[in-house]
Amino acid sequence: DADVTQTPRNRITKTGKRIMLECSQTKGHDRMYWYRQDPGLGLRLIYYSFDVKDINKGEISDGYSVSRQAQAKFSLSLESAIPNQTALYFCATSTGLAGAQQFFGPGTRLTVL
Amino acid sequence: AQSVTQLGSHVSVSEGALVLLRCNYSSSVPPYLFWYVQYPNQGLQLLLKYTTGATLVKGINGFEAEFKKSETSFHLTKPSAHMSDAAEYFCAVRMDSSYKLIFGSGTRLLVRP
Repeated sequence: DADVTQTPRNRITKTGKRIMLECSQTKGHDRMYWYRQDPGLGLRLIYYSFDVKDINKGEISDGYSVSRQAQAKFSLSLESAIPNQTALYFCATSTGLAGAQQFFGPGTRLTVL
Repeated sequence: AQSVTQLGSHVSVSEGALVLLRCNYSSSVPPYLFWYVQYPNQGLQLLLKYTTGATLVKGINGFEAEFKKSETSFHLTKPSAHMSDAAEYFCAVRMDSSYKLIFGSGTRLLVRP
């Protein structure tokens, strides 16, 4: 079984709709992250959470919100989706150890029409 | 601000040829350095990382990278390309005291038969 799972894997929605992307992990990590990937831009950090009560904005948080429901669950919401939020979204987890790698989920491909 | 530059958005090699993917970073202190690989329709998988110690780092699937502080580089190499190496490769940097993983824009490796 995958350690980091994301649902849905693919989603097509319309402008103005509210969308929630979900991430679950079984690695027992405290830290969780949401990234978006756009062609030619690499991955950019949207939000990150160091524990259930610690949530922080990343470099591109406008138009997004998150919820850390439990250590293992971290959801990303688009309150009112717009076409330029069409992208591939990744959840990742890590420990807090120096030099620790991040473990990535399989991604959610979101299309906003 | 820290940044990561990957030279060449696309690199094409023949099967059996040397693979060289370039990564340079800007940082005032030695960072932690990572190479991730992304196969089609999958999340990112760690290839290798440098934290401290030996500057030549060996990873999975025959890849290795060398940290050169004087050149602020962390180029990825593999002596002999295989068709299964075709994927997108991302270099990433993390500072010692920072949560933040900064990604390069990625290099897509094409392997010709």
